[in-house]
Amino acid sequence: KAGVTQTPRYLIKTRGQQVTLSCSPISGHRSVSWYQQTPGQGLQFLFEYFSETQRNKGNFPGRFSGRQFSNSRSEMNVSTLELGDSALYLCASSLDGKTAFFGQGTRLTVV
Amino acid sequence: EDQVTQSPEALRLQEGESSSLNCSYTVSGLRGLFWYRQDPGKGPEFLFTLYSAGEEKEKERLKATLTKKESFLHITAPKPEDSATYLCAVHGSGAGSYQLTFGKGTKLSVIP
Repeated sequence: KAGVTQTPRYLIKTRGQQVTLSCSPISGHRSVSWYQQTPGQGLQFLFEYFSETQRNKGNFPGRFSGRQFSNSRSEMNVSTLELGDSALYLCASSLDGKTAFFGQGTRLTVV
Repeated sequence: EDQVTQSPEALRLQEGESSSLNCSYTVSGLRGLFWYRQDPGKGPEFLFTLYSAGEEKEKERLKATLTKKESFLHITAPKPEDSATYLCAVHGSGAGSYQLTFGKGTKLSVIP
């Protein structure tokens, strides 16, 4: 059974640019969540989608956005990148809302 | 606001030396407490879910326990391959749907 797949694994962007990250959940999972992980702050919740609807959003600026498609695949977008956006971005999927399974993450470096 | 504090931040053990990691939490209505293992540069790997005080789960050399205020991850006779960062997270009823609050983790090093 395939796990959560995130693409790309690594990304280098310049300040001011925008970036789109992709996540394919485990087959049958309809809930997809996104987290940002940095050495200083640890894992912080960005947002959660279920059946194409954003149900919850963390305390991040509006530059961070996401969406979910009818096949449950999800994308997150960060516009006007700042140096502080450099982080490991993790996607997690859940079948029943009780246990989240994470992908390998996308390492974003902003220069 | 849900809060999770893990201790110690780092732990060095000799191979075979058993120990415990602590996760203290405050949450409005616990829906679940989760333990994950994370290797460098990789995503967290699910280990256990605990739902109510008194519950225990075991997997190989790991055993997780839960009280109303904290959870412990007991590691029995660890091996070098157990070296990783162990993360604790909670899902509370006060939070929105499926939002996990994580601790900063305990970095475990097991020396041969």
